[in-house]
Amino acid sequence: DTEVTQTPKHLVMGMTNKKSLKCEQHMGHRAMYWYKQKAKKPPELMFVYSYEKLSINESVPSRFSPECPNSSLLNLHLHALQPEDSALYLCASSRGQGGSGANVLTFGAGSRLTVL
Amino acid sequence: KNQVEQSPQSLIILEGKNCTLQCNYTVSPFSNLRWYKQDTGRGPVSLTIMTFSENTKSNGRYTATLDADTKQSSLHITASQLSDSASYICVVTYSGGYNKLIFGAGTRLAVHP
Repeated sequence: DTEVTQTPKHLVMGMTNKKSLKCEQHMGHRAMYWYKQKAKKPPELMFVYSYEKLSINESVPSRFSPECPNSSLLNLHLHALQPEDSALYLCASSRGQGGSGANVLTFGAGSRLTVL
Repeated sequence: KNQVEQSPQSLIILEGKNCTLQCNYTVSPFSNLRWYKQDTGRGPVSLTIMTFSENTKSNGRYTATLDADTKQSSLHITASQLSDSASYICVVTYSGGYNKLIFGAGTRLAVHP
């Protein structure tokens, strides 16, 4: 299994809703990432988990709350979002967090979020 | 400032033709350079990855080159197909600190029949 699976593919939520995005990989990767991508822009790093511990938070607002229940799963909990948070949210994983060539990121297909 | 710039922003070619996409970077120190292909509404897929000591790497009809002295890379697509229509993103790994990926804005390629 060489895939990163993200659910749901599409999500529409109001500003007062609480929802979650889910990501799963079974490649034995120990680093997992959340990226946010606006239309026609490159992905922007949000969070990095390494060995199930949060290692990087790129100053993301607290209305986004990541969680890594185990080495295969990564969640992104959403609460009180703003319309400008509408974007494609990409999950990725890699063997390790280091920047070496061995740690190529494998991306999921993304979750398209619309905040009304 | 660590930056990755890609050109052109967009490109239209006819099916069967070749094309070359450019990537210039100012990232230093750098660990490796990657090219990703991203279909609309999908996640990026890795095409090639090169360290500073590698000059060229191929993946089927895709050939990437790297000149670490001039800090330039190119992605050459041979005999283009309609399925090559996508955004191509150049990503450089900044190795000072925690090995951060610096993304280019991408080149949007459209292959027409």
